[in-house]
Amino acid sequence: GENVEQHPSTLSVQEGDSAVIKCTYSDSASNYFPWYKQELGKRPQLIIDIRSNVGEKKDQRIAVTLNKTAKHFSLHITETQPEDSAVYFCAASSYQAGTALIFGKGTTLSVSS
Amino acid sequence: KAGVTQTPRYLIKTRGQQVTLSCSPISGHRSVSWYQQTPGQGLQFLFEYFSETQRNKGNFPGRFSGRQFSNSRSEMNVSTLELGDSALYLCASSLGTGSPSNQPQHFGDGTRLSIL
Repeated sequence: GENVEQHPSTLSVQEGDSAVIKCTYSDSASNYFPWYKQELGKRPQLIIDIRSNVGEKKDQRIAVTLNKTAKHFSLHITETQPEDSAVYFCAASSYQAGTALIFGKGTTLSVSS
Repeated sequence: KAGVTQTPRYLIKTRGQQVTLSCSPISGHRSVSWYQQTPGQGLQFLFEYFSETQRNKGNFPGRFSGRQFSNSRSEMNVSTLELGDSALYLCASSLGTGSPSNQPQHFGDGTRLSIL
């Protein structure tokens, strides 16, 4: 089945710096890659997603890139702010798996001012 | 639109008991998926319900079961509770029609289950 590896597990940046989180997946049939942000004690919140027919997607300070050949995708956050501090999860799903999202282990991002 | 609502928020049970958790999806969403979140295993898919039918299932024992009602609300049941079942149980809803594998899923706040 699908396996998603996420790196790094922790990331500390200064306010205003950029942050990059990388994920690799194993199932070449995966076609949907969402990213979730989870603040302490709160629900995972969908922040951006990308489908396999697209190479890059941006939403203000957040962007996601997908390399289907290498089977990896990345989250880029520019001009980080203290409120970006949270745990970020990448996930993958495939047509065969339906709605089942396979998640990475998460990255704890700390933005210090 | 109201978001995904899960009840109760917290539950304390003892080993051997059973528990039922509830999830009300976003209005118009017909698919409800359940996930278990633990520090060690992260977020793991339990199962998905659509139109009152289990459409997909993860690798959890038969003690974990669920159902969905005609209004798309879903319940999850865990029988013969074990210490290892202590976790945050999250449900997520999505439209469920068309191509379900690439539709955004929106999570509820979860039910924190503690087994003593």
